[in-house]
Amino acid sequence: KNEVEQSPQNLTAQEGEFITINCSYSVGISALHWLQQHPGGGIVSLFMLSSGKKKHGRLIATINIQEKHSSLHITASHPRDSAVYICAVRSMSGSQGNLIFGKGTKLSVKP
Amino acid sequence: DADVTQTPRNRITKTGKRIMLECSQTKGHDRMYWYRQDPGLGLRLIYYSFDVKDINKGEISDGYSVSRQAQAKFSLSLESAIPNQTALYFCATSDARQGTGNTIYFGEGSWLTVV
Repeated sequence: KNEVEQSPQNLTAQEGEFITINCSYSVGISALHWLQQHPGGGIVSLFMLSSGKKKHGRLIATINIQEKHSSLHITASHPRDSAVYICAVRSMSGSQGNLIFGKGTKLSVKP
Repeated sequence: DADVTQTPRNRITKTGKRIMLECSQTKGHDRMYWYRQDPGLGLRLIYYSFDVKDINKGEISDGYSVSRQAQAKFSLSLESAIPNQTALYFCATSDARQGTGNTIYFGEGSWLTVV
């Protein structure tokens, strides 16, 4: 079983829809990252969370440490939001160097 | 200019050849990483370095070596490339200092094809 599971794997939405991507993890963590990977391949960090909620523009990330679960929400989705969204956790045990990555959620927003 | 620069961005090489991927960063970060990404799999750590004199193996270091030439430079070498090393490779950096949030910054990726 993967230590970081994302759902759904693929998501197609119509422009303007509210989108939720989920991330569950099975290890104790010190932080959780949400990353965005565009079709060209480059990866950008969207959020780093250790508790609560963060908002940046139309993106909102929440984390529930007790339930080991995080969600990334996109309000008023737009075709330019089409990308792969990756959840990654920094484990409290094991190598300090390692982030554990989910396999990503591929989002396609249709006009 | 990008904060984390990888070269080359694309490379096709033959089995058995030595290839080096280079990474440089302008963030002033002490921590640098090399990851590979394969279809259907999450990013996997190859090597990481917390400073110039510190090199650590990641989960998939076999067949790879690294060199931290300076705080800003971290290169990845495939001594004798094989086809299953065909992948997208990412360099990344982060800052361990308190209060920086430990955000991770990725390069644009290097597509490597071994034929």
